[in-house]
Amino acid sequence: AQTVTQSQPEMSVQEAETVTLSCTYDTSESDYYLFWYKQPPSRQMILVIRQEAYKQQNATENRFSVNFQKAAKSFSLKISDSQLGDAAMYFCAFLSYNQGGKLIFGQGTELSVKP
Amino acid sequence: DAGVTQSPTHLIKTRGQQVTLRCSPKSGHDTVSWYQQALGQGPQFIFQYYEEEERQRGNFPDRFSGHQFPNYSSELNVNALLLGDSALYLCASSFGQGRNTIYFGEGSWLTVV
Repeated sequence: AQTVTQSQPEMSVQEAETVTLSCTYDTSESDYYLFWYKQPPSRQMILVIRQEAYKQQNATENRFSVNFQKAAKSFSLKISDSQLGDAAMYFCAFLSYNQGGKLIFGQGTELSVKP
Repeated sequence: DAGVTQSPTHLIKTRGQQVTLRCSPKSGHDTVSWYQQALGQGPQFIFQYYEEEERQRGNFPDRFSGHQFPNYSSELNVNALLLGDSALYLCASSFGQGRNTIYFGEGSWLTVV
């Protein structure tokens, strides 16, 4: 069974600084997707970034980028130029290609941004 | 373009009662999944519906059941409610059984008293 682990329950960053959130996963599959979702106090799960396992190039979305290390089964999220609106719970999630639709989430990392 | 919509937003039920939650998928999506998120935890997969059939199921008892309609909307039913069923229930939609990006609704907060 696949598992996703986020070892940082809480993180804090100064506004305009850079922060990295960690995520590791365990799977025996070769075809899968990885996601980072943001969940603000409104509780809606918002997609931040997506990575296909077959792609070696790390995904980037504006201020958000990932460091995908397939061999190490590591998938960290880097937030550059942090903004107050980035404060939220961040979840790392795994999606098997063979079990499409069944996202497996980590425990989450609560990010606070200090002005 | 309407995103994933869920109703009701909040509801309170008594232990032993039954509840129905509703979800309309994002336009163009044909697959709906349901997740339960307890306070302080990550969402847990309940089940997935595609072509009006349950395709996958997580580790949830038979008290949790669902349905998908021809217009791809879906319902989640929970019978014999327990206090432990209190949670945020998230609906997620995607195209093609979820082998694509999955989008979430705002959730339905269920409190069982």
